[in-house]
Amino acid sequence: EPEVTQTPSHQVTQMGQEVILRCVPISNHLYFYWYRQILGQKVEFLVSFYNNEISEKSEIFDDQFSVERPDGSNFTLKIRSTKLEDSAMYFCASSERDGAAEQFFGPGTRLTVL
Amino acid sequence: GDSVTQMEGPVTLSEEAFLTINCTYTATGYPSLFWYVQYPGEGLQLLLKATKADDKGSNKGFEATYRKETTSFHLEKGSVQVSDSAVYFCARSHSGYSTLTFGKGTMLLVSP
Repeated sequence: EPEVTQTPSHQVTQMGQEVILRCVPISNHLYFYWYRQILGQKVEFLVSFYNNEISEKSEIFDDQFSVERPDGSNFTLKIRSTKLEDSAMYFCASSERDGAAEQFFGPGTRLTVL
Repeated sequence: GDSVTQMEGPVTLSEEAFLTINCTYTATGYPSLFWYVQYPGEGLQLLLKATKADDKGSNKGFEATYRKETTSFHLEKGSVQVSDSAVYFCARSHSGYSTLTFGKGTMLLVSP
């Protein structure tokens, strides 16, 4: 069964460093998403991506964040200069279409900023 | 703004007990409603969904009915199993968009 994969499963970084979180969405999906969950808090939407551009983003997704689909399979989230409060579980998701279509989630990357 | 509120966990039950996990949402627009489940070490999986008022979503013995009058989407199961132990997330979409707003999640622990 096709699934969304994410690497690494756990990333530890120093404050101020750049990190890139990687995701491989399901191959025939066209819509891609990043969410995050700070420990003990809600899963929060960060950004959605379609047709090689951002279609929607939240207030959290400021200039420190960027997304890219560098090739036909990968979808990355870059945090340019990490802060302590960026420590969270980051989930990638993909869906075939927009609206109420099911989003398929990856297992997440736990980012720890020291 | 749009929000989802679900009951605090953990919910601890014995096998074969009846389960209810409450979820309410803000009534803006015409959202679709979802329940996702996360088993240990895995990603979020869609459990069931309902796209309009009075719809009932069901899967694997779980059910939830979209109640517009009470802005609720409570998850129920008549007889839980140990294998149902997981974290359950209620979520809503925004009208016309697929962005999801999640609740905090409710951990369910089922003992034999």
